[in-house]
Amino acid sequence: GAGVSQTPSNKVTEKGKYVELRCDPISGHTALYWYRQSLGQGPEFLIYFQGTGAADDSGLPNDRFFAVRPEGSVSTLKIQRTERGDSAVYLCASSSNTGSSEAFFGQGTRLTVV
Amino acid sequence: GNSVTQMEGPVTLSEEAFLTINCTYTATGYPSLFWYVQYPGEGLQLLLKATKADDKGSNKGFEATYRKETTSFHLEKGSVQVSDSAVYFCALSDNAGGTSYGKLTFGQGTILTVHP
Repeated sequence: GAGVSQTPSNKVTEKGKYVELRCDPISGHTALYWYRQSLGQGPEFLIYFQGTGAADDSGLPNDRFFAVRPEGSVSTLKIQRTERGDSAVYLCASSSNTGSSEAFFGQGTRLTVV
Repeated sequence: GNSVTQMEGPVTLSEEAFLTINCTYTATGYPSLFWYVQYPGEGLQLLLKATKADDKGSNKGFEATYRKETTSFHLEKGSVQVSDSAVYFCALSDNAGGTSYGKLTFGQGTILTVHP
């Protein structure tokens, strides 16, 4: 596609439920990043993939959060046992390599846990 | 750890006014510095960047100079337009571990509103 696509654009879930958020990066981009943006704050780094592997997951807040990228393209961010504090906009970005390329962001998925 | 601090917002200006949004950072080594912009209903877009001290990034009339001595990267525009109304984020990448421009530390954002 022309840009980074994230689905769904909005997700409302009940506390304790499991959710999956999807990211389709720009075709050919090997690097993929997930960020979380709380209301009134800047995005915070969660995890970085280079190809299929998670090269840096230092930003994942706890073991309820997990992300995969099995074929090196689409990525899914998975949140188990959601809590109200997980409510935020989850952003995905991709870039063509790690050395000098601009990261292109999707429009995000707004997650609301009620 | 790395951190970015932006001036408290929001900022409200009249068209053709001069804009400054302050940004200071804390980082180890020699980070790359960025300004991202988020227009209403759109995703984050890179506005400009600078990769070493004294570099000036510029785009769409906006400028920012990488000042290592003051650890700052203030955003300026000489004459703002209504279409510049957006949220502006200052960010850095510490270029560690090969993640470079994608692993970013962001400031909290500054909302800019420009009135006709």
